[in-house]
Amino acid sequence: AQTVTQSQPEMSVQEAETVTLSCTYDTSESDYYLFWYKQPPSRQMILVIRQEAYKQQNATENRFSVNFQKAAKSFSLKISDSQLGDAAMYFCAYRSPMYSGGGADGLTFGKGTHLIIQP
Amino acid sequence: SQTIHQWPATLVQPVGSPLSLECTVEGTSNPNLYWYRQAAGRGLQLLFYSVGIGQISSEVPQNLSASRPQDRQFILSSKKLLLSDSGFYLCAWDRTSGNNEQFFGPGTRLTVL
Repeated sequence: AQTVTQSQPEMSVQEAETVTLSCTYDTSESDYYLFWYKQPPSRQMILVIRQEAYKQQNATENRFSVNFQKAAKSFSLKISDSQLGDAAMYFCAYRSPMYSGGGADGLTFGKGTHLIIQP
Repeated sequence: SQTIHQWPATLVQPVGSPLSLECTVEGTSNPNLYWYRQAAGRGLQLLFYSVGIGQISSEVPQNLSASRPQDRQFILSSKKLLLSDSGFYLCAWDRTSGNNEQFFGPGTRLTVL
């Protein structure tokens, strides 16, 4: 079974600065998907960014980018120019590809990192 | 566009009472459906998933059950709630033909007293 570890229960950053959230995972699969979800105080889970393991290029979405190190099984999230609206819980998640029959098993989540933005 | 609804948003129930949480998806057909529970200070734990009407798979032994009476409806139930059933319950959907990401509903906060 896969496991996802987020070693930072809480992170704090000044507004407009850059912060990096860490995530490591354990798997024996060679093909998989990784996600970062954001959960604001409303508790709605919002997809921030996704990465396919077969792609070497790191995914980017505006101010959000990842550093995907497949050999190290590391998947960190970098938030540039932090904004007050970025304050939330951030969850790293792993998924087996659906074509393998594992996808319908759902996502495996880390325990989350609480991101605080200091004005 | 697709939307996912959950109700109720908040629920307070006594120990031993029954439970029924509902999730519906609009704007898509034959979705995969999922129930997750989020306990305080923890990530999400997958409880059940369904790939079609009447097809339910359980990930963990528990006091809860799930049913899928219609293509886009997913129900989480219990005959007798326990204190440990308290938590935040999230429903999610995706498509096997999609890009592997899941879309989550707004959630239900359940408190068992």
